[in-house]
Amino acid sequence: DQQVKQNSPSLSVQEGRISILNCDYTNSMFDYFLWYKKYPAEGPTFLISISSIKDKNEDGRFTVFLNKSAKHLSLHIVPSQPGDSAVYFCAAKGTGNQFYFGTGTSLTVIP
Amino acid sequence: NAGVMQNPRHLVRRRGQEARLRCSPMKGHSHVYWYRQLPEEGLKFMVYLQKENIIDESGMPKERFSAEFPKEGPSILRIQQVVRGDSAAYFCASSPGAYNSPLHFGNGTRLTVT
Repeated sequence: DQQVKQNSPSLSVQEGRISILNCDYTNSMFDYFLWYKKYPAEGPTFLISISSIKDKNEDGRFTVFLNKSAKHLSLHIVPSQPGDSAVYFCAAKGTGNQFYFGTGTSLTVIP
Repeated sequence: NAGVMQNPRHLVRRRGQEARLRCSPMKGHSHVYWYRQLPEEGLKFMVYLQKENIIDESGMPKERFSAEFPKEGPSILRIQQVVRGDSAAYFCASSPGAYNSPLHFGNGTRLTVT
């Protein structure tokens, strides 16, 4: 039962352009959403988060958008850089303090 | 300020042996989570612990797997009588437990069962 879904396993973007990674969730009780970035042979690194009371949070080149009615969140990276090439996981927190992760999207930024 | 420390980074075990994976959370963090990542898959929740308590073990296999987070020392994920299907990367994460605080992950232990 996958409560957090990332339907695109991979994405390729030219350097300098915008990368948009998408994530859908099924549980309307989720109240906190996060994005993580993962390089091979390393653990996931926290990138950015958003509370359910907001619809947008920005940190430098990274912006997360939350659409509660559609149960959808997205991560925008602009401009994309080759160092952004990694696997990106979205996650959501339920009321029991458990975090649910998507299956990841592998982003490749082409120089 | 040390991050989440996991050891060993790589662990090789023969079928039937025991595997013990250790995790020291970040300083000041009292909540520990264990996740497993199988090849080509995402992060699967296994167990959530606070000091001396298992809060949620709904993701743990019913047999052979156990976890603890004692008052002193690291959290331990123990796998008894390992089988080839246990080969995976096991990640530990910690948080201070405050409302809406993110998890911070270690670099994982890659378990290979031969």
